[in-house]
Amino acid sequence: DIVMTQSPLSLPVTPGEPASISCRSSQSLLFTNGYHYLDWYLQKPGQSPQLLIYLGSNRASGVPDRFSGSGSGTDFTLKISRVEAGDVGIYYCMQALHNPLTFGGGTKLEIK
Amino acid sequence: QLQLQESGPGLVTSSETLSLTCTVSGGSLSRSGDYWVWIRQPPEKGLEWIGSIYFDGNTHFNPSFESRAAISADTSKNQFSLNLNSVTVADTAIYYCAARSLYYAPYWGRGTLVTVSS
Repeated sequence: DIVMTQSPLSLPVTPGEPASISCRSSQSLLFTNGYHYLDWYLQKPGQSPQLLIYLGSNRASGVPDRFSGSGSGTDFTLKISRVEAGDVGIYYCMQALHNPLTFGGGTKLEIK
Repeated sequence: QLQLQESGPGLVTSSETLSLTCTVSGGSLSRSGDYWVWIRQPPEKGLEWIGSIYFDGNTHFNPSFESRAAISADTSKNQFSLNLNSVTVADTAIYYCAARSLYYAPYWGRGTLVTVSS
């Protein structure tokens, strides 16, 4: 199974400041079509996960451009340029290239 | 836009079979390259992939569930279903269905809570 390792576990951020979350996979997520099958999700308290980024760097519909995804191979990063209070929750990465599909353990973003 | 809605009993007795259905609107289960997924999240825990059914009917399962899970599709109703047998209280979770494709954004349902009672 592909292991997805997220860091940090907890991320306290001051509003208006940037934030960055790392996700590393134990195998490359690059498919032969040139795409990386890596998603980022945000699960706000009491809600279902909402898609932020798919195919490594494609922002989902309605997601503010403060959110960006980057990376290649086995190393990926989610960046928030300016954190807002509504960004609190648990961020998950997920790989969808290899079965079983697997998730990172989550990064809890909180406001300082 | 694709929409998915999970449905099924919210309470299942231990040792029985958990059965859920995902109704898809705004898209077809038969579209080439697409596949349809079940994911779950136990209370206060992370996300776990259960299995997938592909547009051609092939299925793949998480080895953790392979002996107990079955996924089927009814293209006439645009629905796909999960059956998980011999459930225990450890199967209490929010169950999500999702749609995935090679090139498009994935879509998830809102999820449905299933509680297994002993």
